[in-house]
Amino acid sequence: GQQVMQIPQYQHVQEGEDFTTYCNSSTTLSNIQWYKQRPGGHPVFLIQLVKSGEVKKQKRLTFQFGEAKKNSSLHITATQTTDVGTYFCAGYFGNEKLTFGTGTRLTIIP
Amino acid sequence: SQTIHQWPATLVQPVGSPLSLECTVEGTSNPNLYWYRQAAGRGLQLLFYSVGIGQISSEVPQNLSASRPQDRQFILSSKKLLLSDSGFYLCAWSPRVAGYTFGSGTRLTVV
Repeated sequence: GQQVMQIPQYQHVQEGEDFTTYCNSSTTLSNIQWYKQRPGGHPVFLIQLVKSGEVKKQKRLTFQFGEAKKNSSLHITATQTTDVGTYFCAGYFGNEKLTFGTGTRLTIIP
Repeated sequence: SQTIHQWPATLVQPVGSPLSLECTVEGTSNPNLYWYRQAAGRGLQLLFYSVGIGQISSEVPQNLSASRPQDRQFILSSKKLLLSDSGFYLCAWSPRVAGYTFGSGTRLTVV
């Protein structure tokens, strides 16, 4: 079936260090989205990437969509305590519903 | 602006009791609507989605059902809850092929 794998499952970083989570699909994605879920909260939409090789930035966050549209990454520069949470990628395979990745839980060591 | 309402925020129900969770969307018409379940510390499992009134697609065989009686109303139900139905239930809406907006969720504990 259509699956989106995400690594790592957990990441603990010292405050100020960088963080990256990776998302992979075995089949081509129509587009990919990223979400953040704070502890105890609900997922919040961050961004959508559509074009092959696309790179988008939101302040300290950099999102990339692979050339083959089968992988994506989210990189956070100089993490802060407000970055704590679980980051999910989610992909469209050309139908009406997203397939979510398994998520990467980020914890920050002050 | 569009808003999504989901209630209740928390719910404790005995095994074998019925369930009804409601989700409503304001400020948009003909949205795609979704029900997800999230076990503690886990990912998002799609339960049902709907692209229009009365149109329900089920993703996982289970003890739950969904209905969409009105354009902006999505209901998740069960006739008899099981212990395994415990979890964090999230409703979401989206325009076609766009970012999802999630409700604040219902934490269901079946005891």
